This record gives sequence, structure tokens and C-alpha cells, in this order.
Amino acid sequence: QKEVEQNSGPLSVPEGAIASLNCTYSDRVSQSFFWYRQYSGKSPELIMSIYSNGDKEDGRFTAQLNKASQYVSLLIRDSQPSDSATYLCAVDSWGKFQFGAGTQVVVTP
Amino acid sequence: NAGVTQTPKFQVLKTGQSMTLQCAQDMNHNSMYWYRQDPGMGLRLIYYSASEGTTDKGEVPNGYNVSRLNKREFSLRLESAAPSQTSVYFCASSQGGRYEQFFGPGTRLTVL
Repeated sequence: QKEVEQNSGPLSVPEGAIASLNCTYSDRVSQSFFWYRQYSGKSPELIMSIYSNGDKEDGRFTAQLNKASQYVSLLIRDSQPSDSATYLCAVDSWGKFQFGAGTQVVVTP
Repeated sequence: NAGVTQTPKFQVLKTGQSMTLQCAQDMNHNSMYWYRQDPGMGLRLIYYSASEGTTDKGEVPNGYNVSRLNKREFSLRLESAAPSQTSVYFCASSQGGRYEQFFGPGTRLTVL
């Protein structure tokens, strides 16, 4: 069992709609959670970090964390073609980072 | 502020050749990391350095060595390249273990 799991996609989202990405993790003591965006041929760039249960909003992005369910999600509101990328979930457990394999998002005009 | 820089951007090696990938950061970060990324496999940690003077193995260390030259620089060496090491290599840095990591632009390595 992978420690951090994501649906690989592709997740096809109409322009202007909400994209919902999910990530589950296996280590209950995980403390820090991150979402990265990676365009094809580029390096991962940080979108959001979240450390406590609940929602955290930054512009069109909202991260949601539920430690009891070992679940972290990312919502992208008003999706734009420029949001087409692979989104990586990363989980830190006592200094050990684990990345999911990523979910590919395709925003269609 | 360049962030994390890596050299070279592209490299082609023949089986058995050696090379060193260079990484430097100007964010005064304590921790530095080397990852490889293969299609469908996500990012896998090769080696990391929690602080200057320390290095530790990650998930896939075989065939690699690292050197934390100083706080800014962290190099990855392939002593005898193999086709299985064809990949994209990313260097990253962070303030420490539980903090976000920032990535360099990557090195695309092909081993023939």
C-alpha cells in the first residue's frame, strides 16, 4: 500500500467549474500537508500548505484537511485552462516527506 | 533571489560513465533533498541532508552518492551510470523537515 494515494486521472473539468482533488495518507502521525502543481516538463511549485483540520483558502484554491479520516483535498474554483497540470499531494511525517503520484487535471474550454 | 538552481539542465551519458549533478540554494535553508521522477512513479527521494554536515539515504539510494558541500550546495554523483538511472532529477530545499520544500528546475538525464 502506498503511503500517499491520489487518483491518477485525468480529471476533466469544464472551464469555470470546480475541480476537486483527493489525497489519502496512511501515517496517522502526519503533521504537515502540501499541494504542489507541476506543469509538463517543469518542476513542482507549491500551491498550498495546511497543518490543522479544516479549510484553508488562498485565492481560487481551498485545501481541506481531515486528520481523523486521513484525508486531504484541494478544490480549484473557477477552473481556467492555465490550471491544466498535474497536482501532487505531499505529506510530512516527522520530517519524512512522501509524495503521491499526482492527479492530472485537464480544463476544457 | 534565484531560489534553487541546478546544473546541468540536460545530460546524456553512456553506460558506465560518471557525472555529478550540482544544486545550490540561496534561501538559507537548512535541509536539502535529491529526488528522481519517473513516469507513473511520482517523486522518489534519493538522499537528503537535514543540515550542513549530515546526509541520509532516502527511498532509492543505490547507485548514487551525495555531498553537502556547505549550507548552500548539495551535489549528487552517479559513479557508474546505468540505463535504469534515466530520469528527471530534482533538487529541493526547505527550512526543515515539516516545512514546505522548494524545487529546482530539474536535470533530464538519459543513460544509453
